[in-house]
Amino acid sequence: EPEVTQTPSHQVTQMGQEVILRCVPISNHLYFYWYRQILGQKVEFLVSFYNNEISEKSEIFDDQFSVERPDGSNFTLKIRSTKLEDSAMYFCASSDGDGSKAFFGQGTRLTVV
Amino acid sequence: RKEVEQDPGPFNVPEGATVAFNCTYSNSASQSFFWYRQDCRKEPKLLMSVYSSGNEDGRFTAQLNRASQYISLLIRDSKLSDSATYLCVVGHNDMRFGAGTRLTVKP
Repeated sequence: EPEVTQTPSHQVTQMGQEVILRCVPISNHLYFYWYRQILGQKVEFLVSFYNNEISEKSEIFDDQFSVERPDGSNFTLKIRSTKLEDSAMYFCASSDGDGSKAFFGQGTRLTVV
Repeated sequence: RKEVEQDPGPFNVPEGATVAFNCTYSNSASQSFFWYRQDCRKEPKLLMSVYSSGNEDGRFTAQLNRASQYISLLIRDSKLSDSATYLCVVGHNDMRFGAGTRLTVKP
């Protein structure tokens, strides 16, 4: 069964450093998403991406965040200067239609120290 | 008002019980509706889509009331393996999650 894959599974970084979280969506999907989940809290929408541009973003997705689809398979989330409060599980998801059911990767646990 | 609101839970039920979860959403333009389940420290996994006519998948029944902006999930004959957090998800141009309702099924 096709699946969304994310790397790394766990990333530890120092405050102020840049991190790039990587995702390989399901191959025939066109819509891509990033979500985050702070430990013990709800899943929060960050950004959606379609046709090589951001289609929606939340108030969390400020200038410190950016997304890119550098080639035909990868979808990345960059955090420019990490803060302690960026520590969370980051989930990538993809779907084949706007608002269609999305499939999630296993997540990257980001720990900022 | 929260975009997607769910019963806070937690629900602790014995095996075999029937349990119902409720969810309301604020965006009347929402077009798609889902229930996901999330196990501890794992990714959300699609349980079922929710259609206006209501739909059933084995022990699980989902209902949608667009007029009331209300979604429900009914689990019959609950199993130990049903223990998880159940997430109500509403889609428009993206997918927004409720905070989830934790279910524990006990022997």
